[in-house]
Amino acid sequence: AQSVTQLDSQVPVFEEAPVELRCNYSSSVSVYLFWYVQYPNQGLQLLLKYLSGSTLVKGINGFEAEFNKSQTSFHLRKPSVHISDTAEYFCAVIYRLTGGGNKLTFGTGTQLKVEL
Amino acid sequence: DTGVSQDPRHKITKRGQNVTFRCDPISEHNRLYWYRQTLGQGPEFLTYFQNEAQLEKSRLLSDRFSAERPKGSFSTLEIQRTEQGDSAMYLCASIPTGLNTGELFFGEGSRLTVL
Repeated sequence: AQSVTQLDSQVPVFEEAPVELRCNYSSSVSVYLFWYVQYPNQGLQLLLKYLSGSTLVKGINGFEAEFNKSQTSFHLRKPSVHISDTAEYFCAVIYRLTGGGNKLTFGTGTQLKVEL
Repeated sequence: DTGVSQDPRHKITKRGQNVTFRCDPISEHNRLYWYRQTLGQGPEFLTYFQNEAQLEKSRLLSDRFSAERPKGSFSTLEIQRTEQGDSAMYLCASIPTGLNTGELFFGEGSRLTVL
């Protein structure tokens, strides 16, 4: 079964500092990996995704992630965070449903808190 | 706004009451998902529709839960005899058939509080 682990439940960081949010996955087959962001009182929004090809994936709002097959990781990074990046971040892996659809399996989330 | 719409956004109910949530997906999206998100957890898959057919149900969906999508457009999620453990955010998401990259388009969710 495919699953993702987000080891850090909370990450505090000062504004303009770099940040890395960790995600490790387990899967016996090829994976599609995603990072979603959830701002307070809002739904989830796709930040970026890895399907194939280049292992460095760039997303919205200056975020990027690197797919590392040997370490089964897909860590999210941003070189300089802004106060508006304060949100919950979810790593997710795709799982194929028997009905032909796709099911995203999410990690438990990492709360990024950017402080002045 | 042409995104996924959910109603109501917030619902407070007493234990034992029935509640129903509605989801209006993006108009050309024929696949629809329900997820549940509790505090401190990521969203958990509940069920999946392709058009009006419910093709997958999680074991999390007890017999008190029922979801429908009668005309292949909007969907409803009903919880009967609510329990305090049902308190959560219920998220709806949709995706068009041709898009097979796993990206789901989420609504803002319906938050349920069971007293």
